[in-house]
Amino acid sequence: SQQGEEDPQALSIQEGENATMNCSYKTSINNLQWYRQNSGRGLVHLILIRSNEREKHSGRLRVTLDTSKKSSSLLITASRAADTASYFCATEENFGNEKLTFGTGTRLTIIP
Amino acid sequence: DAMVIQNPRYQVTQFGKPVTLSCSQTLNHNVMYWYQQKSSQAPKLLFHYYDKDFNNEADTPDNFQSRRPNTSFCFLDIRSPGLGDAAMYLCATTQLAGETQYFGPGTRLLVL
Repeated sequence: SQQGEEDPQALSIQEGENATMNCSYKTSINNLQWYRQNSGRGLVHLILIRSNEREKHSGRLRVTLDTSKKSSSLLITASRAADTASYFCATEENFGNEKLTFGTGTRLTIIP
Repeated sequence: DAMVIQNPRYQVTQFGKPVTLSCSQTLNHNVMYWYQQKSSQAPKLLFHYYDKDFNNEADTPDNFQSRRPNTSFCFLDIRSPGLGDAAMYLCATTQLAGETQYFGPGTRLLVL
């Protein structure tokens, strides 16, 4: 399995603080994506960063990608209670096998 | 709104009794995926369709089968559910393989 690793496995912070979670993967990739999953629900796509990009922003989200280290980070600024969820990174390997490989996930809890 | 719909949201079945989960999409996407997700784990890809072409993951048990009668619908058949098959089953679609996936809300399967 080429499943990625996410760090930390769980993170609890106060509302208003920033949350950072990291993802490492094993193979060369075309893109890396971040998804959010609320408890008992499906996954929601947050952001996609391509292998030739180093940083991408979307609202309060900032994603970085370091292909030399095979790692990515997701920063959520000014966290809100509604950000409480599990966050997964997913990679598309660069030989076009039509699928994503998901990381192990970070469980984020925002304390009001 | 265009979306991915899964029915039922909750399914209870008996050990060994066949069960079918359904997924439909109004996005007219070419690719449909079925994932199994157990508690606190990453989604695990079971198989996917690229149009009518079926792609089975090497470690997907024979107990799991799938049908895609048309672009909009895809079914997951579990021929003889075991206790270990209790999980959340997620359907996802994408227009372009490897790009953003759109997930349904999932079907939680309980095996008694």
